[in-house]
Amino acid sequence: SSELTQDPAVSVALGQTVRITCQGDSLRSYYASWYQQKPGQAPVLVIYGKNNRPSGIPDRFSGSSSGNTASLTITGAQAEDEADYYCNSRDSSGVVFGGGTKLTVL
Amino acid sequence: EVQLVESGGGLVKPGGSLRLSCAASGFTFSNAWMSWVRQAPGKGLEWVGRIKSKTDGGTTDYAAPVKGRFTISRDDSKNTLYLQMNSLKTEDTAVYYCTVVEYSSSSVDFDYWGQGTLVTVSS
Repeated sequence: SSELTQDPAVSVALGQTVRITCQGDSLRSYYASWYQQKPGQAPVLVIYGKNNRPSGIPDRFSGSSSGNTASLTITGAQAEDEADYYCNSRDSSGVVFGGGTKLTVL
Repeated sequence: EVQLVESGGGLVKPGGSLRLSCAASGFTFSNAWMSWVRQAPGKGLEWVGRIKSKTDGGTTDYAAPVKGRFTISRDDSKNTLYLQMNSLKTEDTAVYYCTVVEYSSSSVDFDYWGQGTLVTVSS
């Protein structure tokens, strides 16, 4: 099966913009979805499809895609955005998740 | 409000079996495609498998590491999803999440998640 690669850790200053990326061959055919997971909690869907936010997700979260890379952008990061972020997509054998990115808000 | 409540986790010896349940409410369960996703301690998310709604055929699909050992089923009369796990291995130790999943031609989204139940496989 294919893989999705994410940077293990990223940091951003409070109020600044941060981009979290996800790379993989499956992303040439499928959109990535993005999940936020805080310690001790279940993941929460934050971006799906081309660039859609579920109800209740702040509009500072956005998604984009180019070639084999999908990106989650947080514009004006807040302290409460500190969390692990995971991407996923379909692939030829089912579903694949990225390894996750730990976002630190400084 | 969508609620998914998993139960049935615990400690089991290698080679043993366990059945997880997920009680669903707040949406039309019979119309939903459902999935299990697991997370080993300190690790990332891993898709386990999914089951379609009965109106869409009710078929299942599994990740390679669990195929032939795990079985997903559903009881729409009880709004409950199940995961039967047999021939358990130490590497199956994880928190198991029940999710509502949506497939399209271009993506797969895990829309709602339960709080998870911990399965520990150890002698």
